Order: sequence, then structure tokens, then C-alpha cells
Amino acid sequence: DQQVKQNSPSLSVQEGRISILNCDYTNSMFDYFLWYKKYPAEGPTFLISISSIKDKNEDGRFTVFLNKSAKHLSLHIVPSQPGDSAVYFCLLTTSGTYKYIFGTGTRLKVLA
Amino acid sequence: ETGVTQSPTHLIKTRGQQVTLRCSSQSGHNTVSWYQQALGQGPQFIFQYYREEENGRGNFPPRFSGLQFPNYSSELNVNALELDDSALYLCASSLEGANSPLHFGNGTRLTVT
Repeated sequence: DQQVKQNSPSLSVQEGRISILNCDYTNSMFDYFLWYKKYPAEGPTFLISISSIKDKNEDGRFTVFLNKSAKHLSLHIVPSQPGDSAVYFCLLTTSGTYKYIFGTGTRLKVLA
Repeated sequence: ETGVTQSPTHLIKTRGQQVTLRCSSQSGHNTVSWYQQALGQGPQFIFQYYREEENGRGNFPPRFSGLQFPNYSSELNVNALELDDSALYLCASSLEGANSPLHFGNGTRLTVT
């Protein structure tokens, strides 16, 4: 059972435009929602997070939105840069039982 | 600040064998977790250790076991290896708390033949 899905396996965006990555989940138990970026041959790198009591968090070019009623999480990157080209994973966690569930990943390619 | 380091980087084992993977936590971090990433998929949570005790586990059989040492470094042991165990194994360290960002190593690529 795939509790967390990133329905777009890949995404191509022109440099300078907005990249929107999406993550959908089925269970309301999650407390924290994080985004990670992964380059080939490296471990994932933390980007930004949001707790279940908020609906938006912003850090520089990165903004995360949480819609709890729709069980939907998104990451906006603006403006997109070629160095943003990587695989992006959402990660959902629970504080009570310490479970960590990653999404399936979206490969972002930013075209110069 | 020293990051998370994993060893070895690559490993080839035969079905039925046992393997031990190692991880050194980032300095100051007291929690370590392990993940299995198969090709084309997201990392799957195996388990987490805090102060040498397992405090969270994903859907992995008991032949996946671990240890955390007083210096917060960690081992992942897999017994009776199966072909499907071939994957990238990632270790992450963090401070206590589900909202603490995970800091990952570069992983160990395990191939089971």
C-alpha cells in the first residue's frame, strides 16, 4: 500500500520559471512534512519542512504548501535554476510512532 | 562539523550470506535511522535508534537488525540475504524528534547475486 504518492515521475521547467512538485497522501496521522533533494551518487539533502498546524512555509526560493483536507503537499521553487535539477522526495513523519514515509520521487529538470 | 559517513560504498554478496553496513552520525546527533532504496523508488524506512534503543520500525522482517553505539554510530545487519535485498542503503542522523531534519550519508550500494 503506497501511502504517499508523487504522481509526476518527471517534470521539465524552463530556467527562471516556477517548478511545482506535488505529493499526495492517504493517512491523516502525519505530523510533519519535509522535502528532500537528491543528486546522483549522493544522499538526500533537506530543503524545507512544515508542521501539520501550518499551511505554508517559505525559505528563500522554496515554499511548501500543505492542504490537510485534501491530503496534499506541494513544493514551489521560484525562480527555478539549472542547479535545481535533481530528484525530489516528500517525507512524511509521525511524532508518536516514529515512522518515516517517503514519496516515490519526482525528477526535475530545469532547462537553461 | 563532520557529516554522516557510510561504509563501505559498494558491496557484493551472495544469496544466503550476512552483511553488516556501518554509519557514523553527524556530530551532535543522537538519533540514527536506516533506509532501503530500490532502483526508481523512494527510500523505505527500516528502523530508527535513539540512545542505543530501537524506537521505530518499518515493514521489514527480523533478519534486518541494527545497533547503535554510545558514540551514536550505527550498524545495519542483514541475515540470509535475498536477491531483492539488492538496493542502496541510506543512513541518516538527526536530533531527537520527528520534526528534526534527517542528514543523510551517501549510502552503501549492496548487490546480492
